[in-house]
Amino acid sequence: GNSVTQMEGPVTLSEEAFLTINCTYTATGYPSLFWYVQYPGEGLQLLLKATKADDKGSNKGFEATYRKETTSFHLEKGSVQVSDSAVYFCALLNQAGTALIFGKGTTLSVSS
Amino acid sequence: ETGVTQTPRHLVMGMTNKKSLKCEQHLGHNAMYWYKQSAKKPLELMFVYNFKEQTENNSVPSRFSPECPNSSHLFLHLHTLQPEDSALYLCASSYERFAGGLVGGTGELFFGEGSRLTVL
Repeated sequence: GNSVTQMEGPVTLSEEAFLTINCTYTATGYPSLFWYVQYPGEGLQLLLKATKADDKGSNKGFEATYRKETTSFHLEKGSVQVSDSAVYFCALLNQAGTALIFGKGTTLSVSS
Repeated sequence: ETGVTQTPRHLVMGMTNKKSLKCEQHLGHNAMYWYKQSAKKPLELMFVYNFKEQTENNSVPSRFSPECPNSSHLFLHLHTLQPEDSALYLCASSYERFAGGLVGGTGELFFGEGSRLTVL
């Protein structure tokens, strides 16, 4: 079946540090991959996505590259800010295109 | 303002109560979803409605009963819940290209802020 595995959090960083949040997936075929972010007290919102192998999704300084060889979609940012503190969810779209399958989420806490 | 509104934001209920969660979207989408968010667990997809028809039911206990009267409104009726049902219930919507069958969705969901449910 389809599943998404994210690194355990919380991840605690100082402002301007480099961020990596690992994500690997198990799925039939080549699903579309996503990163969603949930800021405190809010619902999830789409951060970036990639629909095929070697695609790079990017938004707000965050990037993730679809790697089919390693079935991974790691999230990176070169210099985090306090405002990036949130929970980050990796997700895949099932082959039928009917639903998103999410990981457990990784909490990021950035201090100044 | 995300365009997806959930009410109530917080709900406390006993195990014998009957209550409902409401979700409304103003984005012109035709697919709506209920997800359950529990601590340290993946978001669990509960129900999917596409063009008012239920297309997914992920083995959800019958004490959760969804209703989708139109493409803009989605309800989750709650009855004789258990304490382990306490969680954040998230509603989402999306634009899907087809009605029924193979949906061909884009995967971009718009979420509400959630309804925090506590079952005593």
